[in-house]
Amino acid sequence: DQQVKQNSPSLSVQEGRISILNCDYTNSMFDYFLWYKKYPAEGPTFLISISSIKDKNEDGRFTVFLNKSAKHLSLHIVPSQPGDSAVYFCAAGVTGGGNKLTFGTGTQLKVEL
Amino acid sequence: GAGVSQTPSNKVTEKGKYVELRCDPISGHTALYWYRQSLGQGPEFLIYFQGTGAADDSGLPNDRFFAVRPEGSVSTLKIQRTERGDSAVYLCASSLWGQGGTEAFFGQGTRLTVV
Repeated sequence: DQQVKQNSPSLSVQEGRISILNCDYTNSMFDYFLWYKKYPAEGPTFLISISSIKDKNEDGRFTVFLNKSAKHLSLHIVPSQPGDSAVYFCAAGVTGGGNKLTFGTGTQLKVEL
Repeated sequence: GAGVSQTPSNKVTEKGKYVELRCDPISGHTALYWYRQSLGQGPEFLIYFQGTGAADDSGLPNDRFFAVRPEGSVSTLKIQRTERGDSAVYLCASSLWGQGGTEAFFGQGTRLTVV
């Protein structure tokens, strides 16, 4: 039972354009969501998070949007840069759940010159 | 070091053997997590420590898997009678405390291969 789903295994975007990575979840108990970025042979690195009481959180080039009614969130990267090429994981958790996260399967983003 | 450190970075073992994977969390972090990432999948939760005690071990797949954190810092994940299906990258993470939304910092992982 995949509670967090990333249906696009890969995405290719031109440098300077917007990258939009999508994530869907099924467990309505999740009340915070995070995006992690992972380079090969490294551990995931925290990128940005959002609480379920918000619908948008922005940090520089990265913005996360949350649509609770649709159980959908997305990560927007603008402008995309070649260094953004990595695997992006969406993760979700429940407050009081000890920061235990449920991850999606990841989306490989490739930013081309 | 400043980050979460995991040793060894790679481990190859024969089926049926016992292995130990070590995690050194960021100093001062009270919460420590173990995850397992199989090929093509996202990290999957195994166990979470708050201090010395296992607060949630619901992700451990069976009783061949065990983890300890005796002094509330370094943790060891122990796998008995390894099977080929245990092959994966084992990730450790730590956070300042175990509250939801607290940023968790991951180590680079230990790649376990059971042959």
